[in-house]
Amino acid sequence: SQTIHQWPATLVQPVGSPLSLECTVEGTSNPNLYWYRQAAGRGLQLLFYSVGIGQISSEVPQNLSASRPQDRQFILSSKKLLLSDSGFYLCAWSVRQAYTDTQYFGPGTRLTVL
Amino acid sequence: AQTVTQSQPEMSVQEAETVTLSCTYDTSENNYYLFWYKQPPSRQMILVIRQEAYKQQNATENRFSVNFQKAAKSFSLKISDSQLGDTAMYFCAFMKHGSSNTGKLIFGQGTTLQVKP
Repeated sequence: SQTIHQWPATLVQPVGSPLSLECTVEGTSNPNLYWYRQAAGRGLQLLFYSVGIGQISSEVPQNLSASRPQDRQFILSSKKLLLSDSGFYLCAWSVRQAYTDTQYFGPGTRLTVL
Repeated sequence: AQTVTQSQPEMSVQEAETVTLSCTYDTSENNYYLFWYKQPPSRQMILVIRQEAYKQQNATENRFSVNFQKAAKSFSLKISDSQLGDTAMYFCAFMKHGSSNTGKLIFGQGTTLQVKP
């Protein structure tokens, strides 16, 4: 069966510091991968998606970036965090099938920027 | 652009009773998918049920079923025999179908459901 991992689970960072969140998927090959952000008490907003190694598409311009160095690894980064980057970050995967397949989510990372 | 609206910020239900969560959406697309996700206090998003727009039959998953009204652009979730473990935030979500789709899920604002003993 497929599993998706995210770490760290929680993170507290000062404004202006760098960020690296990691997501890995097990039990499947060539997945589509997604990064979402959830503000407090709200729905999710898609940030990035990837259909393969090195292929990243951005949905929302911001000071965040994403990379996919390996088939089942997806990384969310920032060079300098802003207060507005605080939130709950969720990684998701789906079968690579023209995108129209169910997305399964990881446990998430709670990021607080102070 | 597609939008998803959940008009009930909070709901409560007694254990073993039935509750219905509402969702409406706006789209000009004909082919799409609709989902209900559950987010318990652990905050992991868990798929509850999925509906393909081209299917007239409403999806069911054990105690969970949907009432999909395509013309009305309505997609409600019915939870039967509510259990304490159903306490969570529930999100309705929309996804386009087709080559122009990026796999982007459009989420509603969520409904917090509390099941009371």
